[in-house]
Amino acid sequence: GENVEQHPSTLSVQEGDSAVIKCTYSDSASNYFPWYKQELGKRPQLIIDIRSNVGEKKDQRIAVTLNKTAKHFSLHITETQPEDSAVYFCAASITDSSYKLIFGSGTRLLVRP
Amino acid sequence: ETGVTQTPRHLVMGMTNKKSLKCEQHLGHNAMYWYKQSAKKPLELMFVYSLEERVENNSVPSRFSPECPNSSHLFLHLHTLQPEDSALYLCASSQSYRVTGNTIYFGEGSWLTVV
Repeated sequence: GENVEQHPSTLSVQEGDSAVIKCTYSDSASNYFPWYKQELGKRPQLIIDIRSNVGEKKDQRIAVTLNKTAKHFSLHITETQPEDSAVYFCAASITDSSYKLIFGSGTRLLVRP
Repeated sequence: ETGVTQTPRHLVMGMTNKKSLKCEQHLGHNAMYWYKQSAKKPLELMFVYSLEERVENNSVPSRFSPECPNSSHLFLHLHTLQPEDSALYLCASSQSYRVTGNTIYFGEGSWLTVV
């Protein structure tokens, strides 16, 4: 079946450094890729998304890049802050269902002060 | 009042019990979802409702029974669960059940422990 691989599973960075989380997907026709952030004990919240007709999208310190040929997309966080510490999930839409997202297994990001 | 609220936040139940999880959304959305979140596993979609009609039953065991009486409320009825069903159950809603470009708003989840 369709799946999304997410790496790394854990990531520790120094405050101020950049963090990159990568995901690969299997459905070549996937056209929507959201990223969710889940702080400890809190709900997952959408932080940024990208559609397949765009290669890159940026929102302040967060950016997402998409390589359709290689079927991978990445989340980039610059100038990390302690409040960026959370679990980040990538997801991809699948073509046999207009209502289903396939999620990655998550990356636990720790930003050390 | 936050967008999607779930009760109870924590539930411990025996394998022979019957309990229900409740979800309410205050966003005027047309679609509601149940997801299961287990440790070190991807979020798993369980059920999707669009305007109170079930769109998806993602091969979920019959010991999980959803109910959507109206577009603002969603229940998950639980009976004869197994210990491996212990997980965080997340309710969510979106404007439309078509995911592309539609933000999914999650509730804070109900932690379920089956003993």
